[in-house]
Amino acid sequence: EVVLTQSPGTLSLSPGERATLSCRASQSVRSNYLAWYQQKPGQAPRLLIYGASTRATDFPDRFSGSGSGTDFTLTISRLEPEDFAMYYCQEYGNSPPGTFGGGTKVEIK
Amino acid sequence: QVQLQESGPGLVKPSETLSLTCTVSGYSISSGFYWGWIRQPPGKGLEWIGTIYHSGSTYYNPSLKSRVSISVDTSKNQFSLKLTSVTAADTAVYYCARHTGYFDYWGQGALVTVSS
Repeated sequence: EVVLTQSPGTLSLSPGERATLSCRASQSVRSNYLAWYQQKPGQAPRLLIYGASTRATDFPDRFSGSGSGTDFTLTISRLEPEDFAMYYCQEYGNSPPGTFGGGTKVEIK
Repeated sequence: QVQLQESGPGLVKPSETLSLTCTVSGYSISSGFYWGWIRQPPGKGLEWIGTIYHSGSTYYNPSLKSRVSISVDTSKNQFSLKLTSVTAADTAVYYCARHTGYFDYWGQGALVTVSS
């Protein structure tokens, strides 16, 4: 079973700053089958990135995903007020097919 | 637009069985895709519970496998979760979602509290 470790646990930044979130897998993620989700308080998670780098249609291009193998990154180029939220990664290339990382909270500094 | 909605009791007693149903609209389950359940204890992260294909094939989180059962009713366009022998540790918001490898459509979530 793949274990996903997200870092940092909390990222304190100001609007306009760049956010870099890490997701590290305990073994190589097959075919870069890695997704990112955004979750705001009281809401369901929303799919943000899939295939490590393909952005879901609802999200603007300040969000980008990159990485391969065991190391993946979510970058928010310039934080907007609505971007402060929890972010989770999930891999779907191995079995079982639904492992999530522990999450990174992006909070306002 | 695919929409999912969880329903079921919000309070379950310890040792009893938690039962939830997810009703899908905007897409026919029998047309394909996988359908999954995810939970989130208060203040904690996401945990995948299990997934079912429209044909009935299931995949469960090994840590919950002995207590979980997921079924599908294509005539009602629903799929259901049963979790047996619940304890306070099973208190969580339970989400249903379409499972395309990733989870692309989610229900709003249903809070289930385990308490006597």
